[in-house]
Amino acid sequence: GAGVSQTPSNKVTEKGKYVELRCDPISGHTALYWYRQSLGQGPEFLIYFQGTGAADDSGLPNDRFFAVRPEGSVSTLKIQRTERGDSAVYLCASSQRTSGAYNEQFFGPGTRLTVL
Amino acid sequence: KNEVEQSPQNLTAQEGEFITINCSYSVGISALHWLQQHPGGGIVSLFMLSSGKKKHGRLIATINIQEKHSSLHITASHPRDSAVYICAVLREGGKLIFGQGTELSVKP
Repeated sequence: GAGVSQTPSNKVTEKGKYVELRCDPISGHTALYWYRQSLGQGPEFLIYFQGTGAADDSGLPNDRFFAVRPEGSVSTLKIQRTERGDSAVYLCASSQRTSGAYNEQFFGPGTRLTVL
Repeated sequence: KNEVEQSPQNLTAQEGEFITINCSYSVGISALHWLQQHPGGGIVSLFMLSSGKKKHGRLIATINIQEKHSSLHITASHPRDSAVYICAVLREGGKLIFGQGTELSVKP
């Protein structure tokens, strides 16, 4: 079966522009996570969805970052007025969240964002 | 101080050597992941464990909840094991907190 997919794989944009990054989770996975990995660092949590709602968005760095998951499957991470410091690999992961339990997360290949 | 610390940050080994990567954490967790990341590649989950020990092929992961410590062992290492190994702890609410990774290079 298909794993987690992310598009685009690479995105180059200019400072100040708006970008959207897409994540398609594994079919049937109710939990979806966004992480950001800067060069040479481990990933950092951004936001977590359970179904359509953002259960925890405490990792979003500021109000330029926003994410949606309107139908409980595909999610889009949106970044407004991009800055050079936003350059990183944006990772998406999904898991089957059963009641009271946290299950293994499966990661997508990431989107490498470069802000010039 | 990071909530998840890994050691060493870099490791070079000869093919066949036994390798250990350590992870210490300072927060309460639901479980701990060991992940593998190849250059330019995605992240693959190797193990998720909340107690004791798990084994998969040449890989062994252990965790001591009381000491807040986990180790990843690779037996009979091979050049194809060269990658970044990342420890990540699962916090209440489902989010992962990651260590900075250990870059492993296994020479033939």
